[in-house]
Amino acid sequence: DSGVTQTPKHLITATGQRVTLRCSPRSGDLSVYWYQQSLDQGLQFLIQYYNGEERAKGNILERFSAQQFPDLHSELNLSSLELGDSALYFCASSVVEGTGELFFGEGSRLTVL
Amino acid sequence: AQSVTQLGSHVSVSEGALVLLRCNYSSSVPPYLFWYVQYPNQGLQLLLKYTSAATLVKGINGFEAEFKKSETSFHLTKPSAHMSDAAEYFCAVNNYGQNFVFGPGTRLSVLP
Repeated sequence: DSGVTQTPKHLITATGQRVTLRCSPRSGDLSVYWYQQSLDQGLQFLIQYYNGEERAKGNILERFSAQQFPDLHSELNLSSLELGDSALYFCASSVVEGTGELFFGEGSRLTVL
Repeated sequence: AQSVTQLGSHVSVSEGALVLLRCNYSSSVPPYLFWYVQYPNQGLQLLLKYTSAATLVKGINGFEAEFKKSETSFHLTKPSAHMSDAAEYFCAVNNYGQNFVFGPGTRLSVLP
């Protein structure tokens, strides 16, 4: 158990809909990262927050947004969903930015029909 | 910009044989390097990390990796494969505060 909690574990929805994925980092970790894992694109970095502030953006679509709340949990919002958004979405946390190891949650599997 | 390549998207070995998974990185300065493992339907778990101390790094489950600056490599090895080692393995690089970059992954199959 990494200590990172992600909900929901599975989510099935239709095209055009909006979903929210939630992540609770390990106790004491200030940095939260979101990754998308799909068969054709591998593990893609989406966005990183540190203590509530956005620190880095990767290949995140404009239809996607995220935030980190004062209690350090984070949410990833995916809107106007397309079939191609079906993937496993991982949250990871670390104590420090950048050089600390990442602790991954078990992921949220999103299926868009 | 940092990048990571992993030679071989799929590697098969027999149980008891040597495991060698290759990772090469590009970075302007020696980075921090990591190997993660992902078992089916699970998140990624840290196997080992190199942070500029000893060049031979020992990790969990009998795995180790050697940092070779001249070859910009950080290959992962295990002397004797076990069936439970079957998983996806990811090499990752982090360059002093820049973000993590993961390789494409190598799926390891262990044959009885």
